[in-house]
Amino acid sequence: GDSVTQMEGPVTLSEEAFLTINCTYTATGYPSLFWYVQYPGEGLQLLLKATKADDKGSNKGFEATYRKETTSFHLEKGSVQVSDSAVYFCALYLYDMRFGAGTRLTVKP
Amino acid sequence: DGGITQSPKYLFRKEGQNVTLSCEQNLNHDAMYWYRQDPGQGLRLIYYSQIVNDFQKGDIAEGYSVSREKKESFPLTVTSAQKNPTAFYLCASHPKTDTGELFFGEGSRLTVL
Repeated sequence: GDSVTQMEGPVTLSEEAFLTINCTYTATGYPSLFWYVQYPGEGLQLLLKATKADDKGSNKGFEATYRKETTSFHLEKGSVQVSDSAVYFCALYLYDMRFGAGTRLTVKP
Repeated sequence: DGGITQSPKYLFRKEGQNVTLSCEQNLNHDAMYWYRQDPGQGLRLIYYSQIVNDFQKGDIAEGYSVSREKKESFPLTVTSAQKNPTAFYLCASHPKTDTGELFFGEGSRLTVL
């Protein structure tokens, strides 16, 4: 079935470091791809999305590009802040919404 | 305000008992979902429904049941057949015309004693 695989965490970075969280997908068709974020004590919220190949989603300094050739949607940010500490989930939608296992990011000052 | 309401927030159950988790939305969304969130395993899909009176099994439907008699309501029953029911349960929804964003409830934490 359709599924998402994302890099295991936890990931610990210093403030202003570069962030990459890898995400690859398996799907029978051409899904829409998403990154959701769960801040401590809060519910999940959409961070960014891309609906077709080569689309780039961006929000709050985060970016991810839909790569059909490598079936990937890696999340990147050039300079992380302490406030970015959260759990990040990659997800896809084809017939229903499927999530990856989540990657916990901790940013230290 | 529009949103998704899950209740109860915390629930304790004895082994062998069924329990029903409520999920109500006033967003006029067509699609509704139930996920289970366990540490290190992300969100796993239990059931989803795209329209009233219709629903499909997700990856871990065994031991769970749902109904969708009204557009705004999608209750989840955790039956005694569910071998490891202690978990955090999340309900979500999105409109039929825009699958871009799921709106989540605050979740229900079920503990089996």
